[in-house]
Amino acid sequence: GQNIDQPTEMTATEGAIVQINCTYQTSGFNGLFWYQQHAGEAPTFLSYNVLDGLEEKGRFSSFLSRSKGYSYLLLKELQMKDSASYLCAPSSIRDSWGKLQFGAGTQVVVTP
Amino acid sequence: GAVVSQHPSWVICKSGTSVKIECRSLDFQATTMFWYRQFPKQSLMLMATSNEGSKATYEQGVEKDKFLINHASLTLSTLTVTSAHPEDSSFYICSARVRRDTQETQYFGPGTRLLVL
Repeated sequence: GQNIDQPTEMTATEGAIVQINCTYQTSGFNGLFWYQQHAGEAPTFLSYNVLDGLEEKGRFSSFLSRSKGYSYLLLKELQMKDSASYLCAPSSIRDSWGKLQFGAGTQVVVTP
Repeated sequence: GAVVSQHPSWVICKSGTSVKIECRSLDFQATTMFWYRQFPKQSLMLMATSNEGSKATYEQGVEKDKFLINHASLTLSTLTVTSAHPEDSSFYICSARVRRDTQETQYFGPGTRLLVL
């Protein structure tokens, strides 16, 4: 099974930086996904980390520490459109089909 | 990224009817697709894993006779909600697994909103 823990909500102002932490306990850990989900819409893929370290993609970066069971998503130069729920989802090699279990998500609110 | 479509995007039906939702991978072949359900202000809940040419695998607590899944081709999976009731009203979302070299991703369809009256 998996335990996924991420904060429920975070608020930041436009132009700021926000870091969303995610801790997990996953048997046979095989990588971690981050998705963005706007209200009423389906999730959108943001990143996939399988090795330790930081992966940067424009304003969004994702970090993984396998030994600590820890990941974070860093959102820089926040824009109003970044207001959304951010979902952390570890995957497991114990599941050959690669199914994902999602955390409850972190609601990021960007204020002017 | 890869494109996954769902049809219909909205369904309103009477209690007791069956509703079929289609999930298509538009520019790639997906041997594995997943079906999720999401109630308002709740997280995505995985319902089942759909593999092309074989029976779907359902998560604990999901009734396989009520939620029929068919993955007849490498680009199409369908979810049929049989004898729908108001408590089945939800946001149903499919995703397709894509593996390219060492990279693995799941792309989601836009979702289908089901309202059972």
